[in-house]
Amino acid sequence: GAGVSQSPRYKVAKRGQDVALRCDPISGHVSLFWYQQALGQGPEFLTYFQNEAQLDKSGLPSDRFFAERPEGSVSTLKIQRTQQEDSAVYLCASSPNTDTQYFGPGTRLTVL
Amino acid sequence: DQQVKQNSPSLSVQEGRISILNCDYTNSMFDYFLWYKKYPAEGPTFLISISSIKDKNEDGRFTVFLNKSAKHLSLHIVPSQPGDSAVYFCAAKDGRAGSYQLTFGKGTKLSVIP
Repeated sequence: GAGVSQSPRYKVAKRGQDVALRCDPISGHVSLFWYQQALGQGPEFLTYFQNEAQLDKSGLPSDRFFAERPEGSVSTLKIQRTQQEDSAVYLCASSPNTDTQYFGPGTRLTVL
Repeated sequence: DQQVKQNSPSLSVQEGRISILNCDYTNSMFDYFLWYKKYPAEGPTFLISISSIKDKNEDGRFTVFLNKSAKHLSLHIVPSQPGDSAVYFCAAKDGRAGSYQLTFGKGTKLSVIP
């Protein structure tokens, strides 16, 4: 079956540019998570959706980061006015509950 | 303050031998633990999990052991194969209501030598 997909796989942005990263979760999965992974680190939690409701956004590093999942399926993570410290791999995960999470391949964002 | 620690950044093992990857945690509210395997340029792939009500879970060549009193878990891979070479992440979930996120360690890079 199809897993979690993310697009684009790679994104290069100039500092100050806005970017949008897309996540297509596994069909029927209620829970959707975004994580940020810096080089040499483990993934760090950004935000969580249960269907279309954003239940936890405590991990978003600043108000430049915004996520949505309007119809309870596809999700978009938007970063406004990108900074060099935003360079990382952004991982999306989905789950039928909230225990085991299944990850997509990630989007590698490089901010120049 | 790292709540999940993988103190060995790397590990080399001969093919056919046992690989043991270790993980320590500090948060006593963690009640569900997972191991993920990650190849370069791919997302983490779920391997095996264990609930805090158990002390062992086995799936084929992979076994996870949980020692709650020591706040320690380990992943055993027997026998190790070259295809097991990857970065392994330990992750934990807080059992309290309203807590959904996984907390990850920094990973251990396993190299299985043919």
